[in-house]
Amino acid sequence: AQSVTQLGSHVSVSEGALVLLRCNYSSSVPPYLFWYVQYPNQGLQLLLKYTTGATLVKGINGFEAEFKKSETSFHLTKPSAHMSDAAEYFCAVIDYGNNRLAFGKGNQVVVIP
Amino acid sequence: EAGVTQSPTHLIKTRGQQVTLRCSPISGHTSVYWYQQALGLGLQFLLWYDEGEERNRGNFPPRFSGRQFPNYSSELNVNALELEDSALYLCVSSLGQGTVYGYTFGSGTRLTVV
Repeated sequence: AQSVTQLGSHVSVSEGALVLLRCNYSSSVPPYLFWYVQYPNQGLQLLLKYTTGATLVKGINGFEAEFKKSETSFHLTKPSAHMSDAAEYFCAVIDYGNNRLAFGKGNQVVVIP
Repeated sequence: EAGVTQSPTHLIKTRGQQVTLRCSPISGHTSVYWYQQALGLGLQFLLWYDEGEERNRGNFPPRFSGRQFPNYSSELNVNALELEDSALYLCVSSLGQGTVYGYTFGSGTRLTVV
């Protein structure tokens, strides 16, 4: 079965600094990968996704992620953090066997002024 | 286009009671997934319905059940509530079988069991 690993449940970043959230996946087939963001008391919103093609994927709110097959990674970055980026971020991969998305544990991002 | 609608948004129940949560998917979407998001446990898959049938369920006891109606809306029922059932319950709408189409999340129902 496909799965993802996100390390570090809480991530603190200074306003204006680089945001880097790590995601490693496990998949025996070419993966479809997703990043979602969740603001307090809301559902998850799609940030970006990788299916095929270009390995650098650009998403909303200035985020991007790079698919690296050799490292089985799909890390999320944003060059300059904004206070509005404070939220929880989830990496996910399609679990083909169960026909659903498998989510990582999430990263709670805190932006320090 | 209306998004995924969940009701109620919040509710408080007493241990041992029963609760029903409701979800209306995006128009034209036939698949509905339910996830439980309890504090510190991430998103746990509960149930998947497609075309009115239960297609898969996660590792939850039978007191968690649901159904999907002909209009593709869905209900999640939880019987004999326990304190640990306190969580945000998220409904997810998808265009069809195969999540390559992507998920659209509702805003969730916050259930508190006291």
